[in-house]
Amino acid sequence: EIVMTQSPVTLSVSPGERATLSCRASQSVSSNLAWYQQKPGQAPRLLIYGASTRATGIPARFSGSGSGTEFTLTISSLQSEDFALYYCQQYNTWFTFGGGTKVEIK
Amino acid sequence: EVQLVESGGGLEQPGGSLRLSCAASGFSFSSYAMSWVRQAPEKGLEGVAVIGASGGSTYYVDSVKGRFTISRDNSKNTLYLQMNSLRVEDMAIYYCAKPVRGLVIDVFDVWGQGTVVTVSS
Repeated sequence: EIVMTQSPVTLSVSPGERATLSCRASQSVSSNLAWYQQKPGQAPRLLIYGASTRATGIPARFSGSGSGTEFTLTISSLQSEDFALYYCQQYNTWFTFGGGTKVEIK
Repeated sequence: EVQLVESGGGLEQPGGSLRLSCAASGFSFSSYAMSWVRQAPEKGLEGVAVIGASGGSTYYVDSVKGRFTISRDNSKNTLYLQMNSLRVEDMAIYYCAKPVRGLVIDVFDVWGQGTVVTVSS
């Protein structure tokens, strides 16, 4: 099983600042990496797939990068609605998710 | 509008059974593989089972193999998950999810609202 590790577990950021979230795979997943946002009581929402392609309707302030085993989700200027949980998912072999990063208001 | 609506969750004792359903609408259901993903309380997400578009191929995470069965009825646009020999560790919110490209292994652009499975004596 490919294990996905996200860091940090919690990220405290002020509105308007940049947030950088990391995701590491235990073995190469090529560019088969997605990012989701989840808010309390809601299902996950797809943000990024193919490591860097924004899903339909996702604002340009969300960007993804990386390949192989190291990936990054960047939120360029945090808005109030961006404070949430973020998960990465590999879909190279089966599909597994990281443990999540909580982005909270500083 | 593309929509997935799960039902069938509830409270069951360890060793018991439940059958989850997911009603799909707004897309060509029979052209898409479909998946079940679960989220245990205060935990992350875990892929549980996948079924191919025709229903001829199924895949499971190791922890549910031999206990859970994924199936579909394309004439009813409905996905199922039969869960037998339930364990406490199966307790979670169960989501059905639609893959972006319809592939067996893919990312998910549409999720249901989830149905809660509680396993307790």
